[in-house]
Amino acid sequence: GAGVSQSPSNKVTEKGKDVELRCDPISGHTALYWYRQSLGQGLEFLIYFQGNSAPDKSGLPSDRFSAERTGGSVSTLTIQRTQQEDSAVYLCASSHNRAGMDTQYFGPGTRLTVL
Amino acid sequence: QKEVEQNSGPLSVPEGAIASLNCTYSDRGSQSFFWYRQYSGKSPELIMFIYSNGDKEDGRFTAQLNKASQYVSLLIRDSQPSDSATYLCAVNRGGSQGNLIFGKGTKLSVKP
Repeated sequence: GAGVSQSPSNKVTEKGKDVELRCDPISGHTALYWYRQSLGQGLEFLIYFQGNSAPDKSGLPSDRFSAERTGGSVSTLTIQRTQQEDSAVYLCASSHNRAGMDTQYFGPGTRLTVL
Repeated sequence: QKEVEQNSGPLSVPEGAIASLNCTYSDRGSQSFFWYRQYSGKSPELIMFIYSNGDKEDGRFTAQLNKASQYVSLLIRDSQPSDSATYLCAVNRGGSQGNLIFGKGTKLSVKP
């Protein structure tokens, strides 16, 4: 079946602009995660959605970052007033349920470049 | 202390040899452990997961977990040039929280 999809694949924006990144999880997966990976760095957790529960936002680096998940499926990560340090690959992953126990499947990522 | 630590490498092994990748973690409450492979410019893909102490084998790959030592490893037998990639160790947070904590990865190079 179809895997996790993300759009756009690449995004170049100017400092101070807002951007929206989209993630479409695998059908039937109730858990959705956002990570970011800066050049040469490991994956940094941002936010986690599980079913209808309140999201775990503990990894969001500042209040410029927010995310929502509509209808328990598609998620949008929004970065307001982008800064150059926001440049990274933003990865979305989804899993069945059982928090922390189920395999997370990653999408291809969105490469964000802030000029 | 970093939550998940890996030797950044690069680890270079000849084709056909065994590659040994190691990872230590700090949260004693962690319950699940994953190894992901990431080719340059690509997203991570799952290689193996392990929940219980001991060894778990899948083809050329063996994951080893020692919760007492807070140590997890990945062995790749008969290494191939196509195994050349960065290997990420990931550990869930204790208390069954959903997100994974990733190490920075070990870059493996398999020389023909």
